[in-house]
Amino acid sequence: DAGVTQSPTHLIKTRGQQVTLRCSPKSGHDTVSWYQQALGQGPQFIFQYYEEEERQRGNFPDRFSGHQFPNYSSELNVNALLLGDSALYLCASSFDGYGYTFGSGTRLTVV
Amino acid sequence: AQTVTQSQPEMSVQEAETVTLSCTYDTSESNYYLFWYKQPPSRQMILVIRQEAYKQQNATENRFSVNFQKAAKSFSLKISDSQLGDTAMYFCAFMKLSGSGNTGKLIFGQGTTLQVKP
Repeated sequence: DAGVTQSPTHLIKTRGQQVTLRCSPKSGHDTVSWYQQALGQGPQFIFQYYEEEERQRGNFPDRFSGHQFPNYSSELNVNALLLGDSALYLCASSFDGYGYTFGSGTRLTVV
Repeated sequence: AQTVTQSQPEMSVQEAETVTLSCTYDTSESNYYLFWYKQPPSRQMILVIRQEAYKQQNATENRFSVNFQKAAKSFSLKISDSQLGDTAMYFCAFMKLSGSGNTGKLIFGQGTTLQVKP
């Protein structure tokens, strides 16, 4: 049974560009959360999607947006990239909301 | 707002020995979950153990156990018989439970890097 799959694994973008990160949840999971993890730090909650709607959001600017599709997969979009957006972006999925399965993340580097 | 603090940035332990990682948290909530996650160099966050705040009994998972002190807002992780594969970054995390169930938002500490030496 495949776990959480994230793509791409690594990504390099130029400041000011836009990026889309993708996440396929674990089979049977319907809730997807996104986290940003700066180097050497703990993950920070960006937002969570359930039934194709944003259920809650962390303290991130509107440049960060997302989407959930009918098959529960999700995308994270970041516009007008800043150098400070360089981080590991983690996707986590759940069915009951208590047990989250994380993917291996996408390493985004903004130059 | 809830906060989670891990005061030990780095720790090391000899293989087969026992090590304890510390975590404190701040919240005014009464219903919540606490977690320890492990993040090896592969980057995937792996759940180690979970503790429900309403349970007085400390959670145990094989070699991993916690010391949950609700009044002191302390949640430490004890790893017994440490193995080389335990080398990783460990994160303590908090999740508030709403009246209708969980909120699903994990609040993480800064992490503790654990190295198990042969």
